[in-house]
Amino acid sequence: NAGVTQTPKFQVLKTGQSMTLQCAQDMNHEYMSWYRQDPGMGLRLIHYSVGAGITDQGEVPNGYNVSRSTTEDFPLRLLSAAPSQTSVYFCASNPRVNTNTEAFFGQGTRLTVV
Amino acid sequence: KQEVTQIPAALSVPEGENLVLNCSFTDSAIYNLQWFRQDPGKGLTSLLLIQSSQREQTSGRLNASLDKSSGRSTLYIAASQPGDSATYLCAVGEYGNKLVFGAGTILRVKS
Repeated sequence: NAGVTQTPKFQVLKTGQSMTLQCAQDMNHEYMSWYRQDPGMGLRLIHYSVGAGITDQGEVPNGYNVSRSTTEDFPLRLLSAAPSQTSVYFCASNPRVNTNTEAFFGQGTRLTVV
Repeated sequence: KQEVTQIPAALSVPEGENLVLNCSFTDSAIYNLQWFRQDPGKGLTSLLLIQSSQREQTSGRLNASLDKSSGRSTLYIAASQPGDSATYLCAVGEYGNKLVFGAGTILRVKS
């Protein structure tokens, strides 16, 4: 059971480039989300999804797009990378929405925008 | 807007000590409170989840308490070991599975 898998683990982008961070879970979880972690700050919610075909914005959505075409996958797209998007990105999943269940996190993607 | 604060930011203790990590939050309308462990370069691992109706949860040497009315939670680690060295994150769970995180406490247990 792989859990939550994120690819790539590391990425360097030039300003203005676009890319997609991949996230997949094999636990049939309803809820998936993306967070970013910056030094000295807590993780902040970017986007989330309560099921296939349904997504919504979190606290810091600007500059990012998401889609959820299947239960398993929840990719995060950077449309035009900026140095302010240098961060560590984490994907997470929960079995069901609005239940007291623990969140499962991926290993993270460390992104540097130069 | 919910804000979560963790004190201290860093802690260094000798092996065998009992220790307490603190977490405070500003809005008591929470769904649950979760404690996570993060090792360098790794993802987050869930340690304990306390539902809003509960006062505490225990797992092995870990005990987490929750006082919603005062907006506080503590994580108690008994008989600390070098393997406990990590960053400990507190997160308030809001309606809709959203998590609001504190900045974390970096713990170092010296052998």
